[in-house]
Amino acid sequence: EAGVTQFPSHSVIEKGQTVTLRCDPISGHDNLYWYRRVMGKEIKFLLHFVKESKQDESGMPNNRFLAERTGGTYSTLKVQPAELEDSGVYFCASSQDFGQVNTEAFFGQGTRLTVV
Amino acid sequence: GESVGLHLPTLSVQEGDNSIINCAYSNSASDYFIWYKQESGKGPQFIIDIRSNMDKRQGQRVTVLLNKTVKHLSLQIAATQPGDSAVYFCAEGPTTDKLIFGTGTRLQVFP
Repeated sequence: EAGVTQFPSHSVIEKGQTVTLRCDPISGHDNLYWYRRVMGKEIKFLLHFVKESKQDESGMPNNRFLAERTGGTYSTLKVQPAELEDSGVYFCASSQDFGQVNTEAFFGQGTRLTVV
Repeated sequence: GESVGLHLPTLSVQEGDNSIINCAYSNSASDYFIWYKQESGKGPQFIIDIRSNMDKRQGQRVTVLLNKTVKHLSLQIAATQPGDSAVYFCAEGPTTDKLIFGTGTRLQVFP
């Protein structure tokens, strides 16, 4: 079974440009999460989808970030316009949804974003 | 690699010895705690979890201890192997749905 896959693995863009990151969760996983780790800091939560709905987007840093999950399958995270401080590794994770039961979240390998 | 610029605490152990990695968590209301292992170029990989109604849980070669009084979590790895070399993160949350990660500890295993 394929795990969580993220594309691209690396992206280098200039300040002011737009970048779109993609995440394909494990098939059948309704929960999808975005996290990021900026240099020198901890991995931090960005947002959580349940199917196509945003369940919690309290971690999104500002309105330059837009996440979508049309159809409840793959998700995209767009940064527009990118700033230098957006550089870091963006992780996606997915888990099954059994209501209140905690289920393991599986992480992708991450996308390393470098804004120059 | 990803950790460039990060100054992680490092634990160096000899192959075959036991390792203990510690974590202080922040939220006394957290109900769920997880240890993740991250190897270079990969995402965090689940190792073991524990709920707040437990103080110890064992897996294969790993044990997690939870001390809610002092908000402390530890991961014990028995008979540490070279393949255990990685960065280890603790994470906490009310559920899986919004995890708070610690800064990470780098484990280095030498022969």
